[in-house]
Amino acid sequence: GAVVSQHPSRVICKSGTSVKIECRSLDFQATTMFWYRQFPKKSLMLMATSNEGSKATYEQGVEKDKFLINHASLTLSTLTVTSAHPEDSSFYICSARAGQVSYEQYFGPGTRLTVT
Amino acid sequence: AQSVTQPDIHITVSEGASLELRCNYSYGATPYLFWYVQSPGQGLQLLLKYFSGDTLVQGIKGFEAEFKRSQSSFNLRKPSVHWSDAAEYFCAVGYAGNMLTFGGGTRLMVKP
Repeated sequence: GAVVSQHPSRVICKSGTSVKIECRSLDFQATTMFWYRQFPKKSLMLMATSNEGSKATYEQGVEKDKFLINHASLTLSTLTVTSAHPEDSSFYICSARAGQVSYEQYFGPGTRLTVT
Repeated sequence: AQSVTQPDIHITVSEGASLELRCNYSYGATPYLFWYVQSPGQGLQLLLKYFSGDTLVQGIKGFEAEFKRSQSSFNLRKPSVHWSDAAEYFCAVGYAGNMLTFGGGTRLMVKP
């Protein structure tokens, strides 16, 4: 149980285009989903927290107009990188939390974004 | 503000040897503590967690961790390392209801 998927696993796009990454909880309803960014050989940095049906809460320094997050259902959150640039190349990981009580997050396998 | 420190960036151990990965945290309230493992190009897999109760917790893959409040530590241990344990290990602290703060990670290499 508690499986989280991400799609795509890898994506290469040209500078200036937009890319959408999907995060799905496959066997549970995720009231809260999180988006992280991980630079090579670095730890995970929380980008934003999204609750189903409400606007995402972005961490300081994260451009909300560049990284659009939508959490339209209890099993799906999307991250859209708009007008991507090479510096947006990174490993993006989502996680999902099942309820209000548990602090445990279930992580997706990650998406490798390369902007050329 | 809460913080998590993993003092060792890299650790190399021989296969069959014991392992201890260090984790120290700074957090004012009762912490919720986690250890995750990440293989190259993959997401994070939960090894074990501590919420309350017995301070020695058992996890998957033969790992265990001990919460020591007096030392603000949550070190990960394994008595005998296997080559497949080579990966990046992250300690994390849960706070504010639903957030996680991660340590910088420790890369484990296993010598044959």
